[in-house]
Amino acid sequence: NAGVTQTPKFQVLKTGQSMTLQCAQDMNHNSMYWYRQDPGMGLRLIYYSASEGTTDKGEVPNGYNVSRLNKREFSLRLESAAPSQTSVYFCATDRVVSFGNQPQHFGDGTRLSIL
Amino acid sequence: AQTVTQSQPEMSVQEAETVTLSCTYDTSESDYYLFWYKQPPSRQMILVIRQEAYKQQNATENRFSVNFQKAAKSFSLKISDSQLGDAAMYFCAYRSVDGATNKLIFGTGTLLAVQP
Repeated sequence: NAGVTQTPKFQVLKTGQSMTLQCAQDMNHNSMYWYRQDPGMGLRLIYYSASEGTTDKGEVPNGYNVSRLNKREFSLRLESAAPSQTSVYFCATDRVVSFGNQPQHFGDGTRLSIL
Repeated sequence: AQTVTQSQPEMSVQEAETVTLSCTYDTSESDYYLFWYKQPPSRQMILVIRQEAYKQQNATENRFSVNFQKAAKSFSLKISDSQLGDAAMYFCAYRSVDGATNKLIFGTGTLLAVQP
């Protein structure tokens, strides 16, 4: 998915380490999202940014911070990783919020394991 | 708060046959959007089909169609002439019309196997 790029694709951390997941989009979308996907639980929203300069908590924000660096980039940071944060993380983007039926475009995900 | 329920963790279908995946949702809103996403083993999230709640006509995209029952709050996905490439996890998702946020609420997914 050339439109939304996530780095890295895989990462293994030790408990207590910090890590930043990067997301960049070239689709000129104003809204960006971070989800986590766990077995049997679907995708859950961690944080989102409706537009450059704004961020808001989603359903499961604890243990995470985000930065909307500019219109293109939205990073997710784990300050002190915990085993419960082992998951697959997805970044997504979409167009202006008034067009609700516009689909979100997803990156390929980051598989993060915390030992 | 809105919720989305997919009650079938796994489904199986024979190649060339038809299968229906179930999705129900709970909301007090009168207008909203519904989506089906496909996630193959490659992990990509691929939009399959979308439906606007104010439209009575069921959406169709080639072999994929939905049965949208607004009163029953049901949004099932029908896959006709199933192909091996249809094997994937399928997620149903809800989005409010409210312009404050476009965040999606996902169901827990249905893993579809296609038997040759």
